Amino acid sequence: QKEVEQDPGPLSVPEGAIVSLNCTYSNSAFQYFMWYRQYSRKGPELLMYTYSSGNKEDGRFTAQVDKSSKYISLFIRDSQPSDSATYLCAMIPTSGTYKYIFGTGTRLKVLA
Amino acid sequence: IAGITQAPTSQILAAGRRMTLRCTQDMRHNAMYWYRQDLGLGLRLIHYSNTAGTTGKGEVPDGYSVSRANTDDFPLTLASAVPSQTSVYFCASSRSSGEPLGQFFGPGTRLTVL
Repeated sequence: QKEVEQDPGPLSVPEGAIVSLNCTYSNSAFQYFMWYRQYSRKGPELLMYTYSSGNKEDGRFTAQVDKSSKYISLFIRDSQPSDSATYLCAMIPTSGTYKYIFGTGTRLKVLA
Repeated sequence: IAGITQAPTSQILAAGRRMTLRCTQDMRHNAMYWYRQDLGLGLRLIHYSNTAGTTGKGEVPDGYSVSRANTDDFPLTLASAVPSQTSVYFCASSRSSGEPLGQFFGPGTRLTVL
């Protein structure tokens, strides 16, 4: 079993929809959680990071962590065609370790 | 412009040839990483460096070597390329090892080994 599971998609939604992207993980030691966006033929770019459980909002993006369920989510409100990309989750158990664990990514298509 | 640069952008290489992928960052980050990204497998760590002068092995280090002579540069060398090393290679950096604020990635090198 992989440490982090992420549905590969593709997930197709109409413009303006609310998008929910999710990752589940098995290691309860994970403390720090990140979401990256990767456009086709580009490097991943950091979107958001959170620590432990709770919500964090940044514009149209909200990151949510539920440590009791070992489940993290990224919500995108008012989705735009420019949001079409692959979204990767990542996590580490504690600061000071080199080993970031990445999900394989969910491909999102926002249709105009 | 602050960030990470990688060279070359893409390369086609004959099997058995030696190849060095270059990576330079200007953010004065202590930690640097090399990943390969393959369809369905996601990002896999090849080698990492916590600080200049030190390196370590990641998840898939075989066939690759790295050096970290200074803070800014972290080249990845394939001593004798094989077709299974066909992949997209990303260099990344972070302020410190396991930085909770995440990593910054370069644009990638698309490598094809024939």
